[in-house]
Amino acid sequence: DAGVIQSPRHEVTEMGQEVTLRCKPISGHDYLFWYRQTMMRGLELLIYFNNNVPIDDSGMPEDRFSAKMPNASFSTLKIQPSEPRDSAVYFCASSLWQDYNEQFFGPGTRLTVL
Amino acid sequence: AQSVTQLGSHVSVSEGALVLLRCNYSSSVPPYLFWYVQYPNQGLQLLLKYTSAATLVKGINDFEAEFKKSETSFHLTKPSAHMSDAAEYFCAVSGGGTSYGKLTFGQGTILTVHP
Repeated sequence: DAGVIQSPRHEVTEMGQEVTLRCKPISGHDYLFWYRQTMMRGLELLIYFNNNVPIDDSGMPEDRFSAKMPNASFSTLKIQPSEPRDSAVYFCASSLWQDYNEQFFGPGTRLTVL
Repeated sequence: AQSVTQLGSHVSVSEGALVLLRCNYSSSVPPYLFWYVQYPNQGLQLLLKYTSAATLVKGINDFEAEFKKSETSFHLTKPSAHMSDAAEYFCAVSGGGTSYGKLTFGQGTILTVHP
């Protein structure tokens, strides 16, 4: 199994630009999670999906952030417009509810907004 | 509602010494509990998990954790620390209700191993 795949691994952009982060979960997993990790705030859950439907987006910082899951094998997290305070590592994870909700994490996308 | 408290944001030990990382949880339903490890510039990896089968859980790299319901604890231990154990460790709980399907993570404990 290839594990959770995220792209790009690194992204450097300028303030005001649109940023799109991508995630491919493990095949067969029915939950997908987006996290943000910073030194100041630690690991934060932004949003999660069950069977492609958003369940809880209360962690999404503001309207500049949006996430979609058009099918079971692909999800995007978009920031528009980006700001320097969005600089962080963004992780995607997936899980299977029958497996005690054990989450498998991707390698992360390191985002730098200048 | 569920929550996790990791006591000590930083723990420092000498190589060969016992490692003890503390985790206390709160859950309204019987919990599933996890320890994850994050090495620098990497994602989180599962160390071990408690799923009610046995209270003492063994994981990778000689780590183990004991579920104590009376103390609502799930502390992580390793008899002898290696330099390669230096990383950040996260305790997490999975429960029901409005939290069904997701994990609630603690704030993490950074383990430093001195030669």
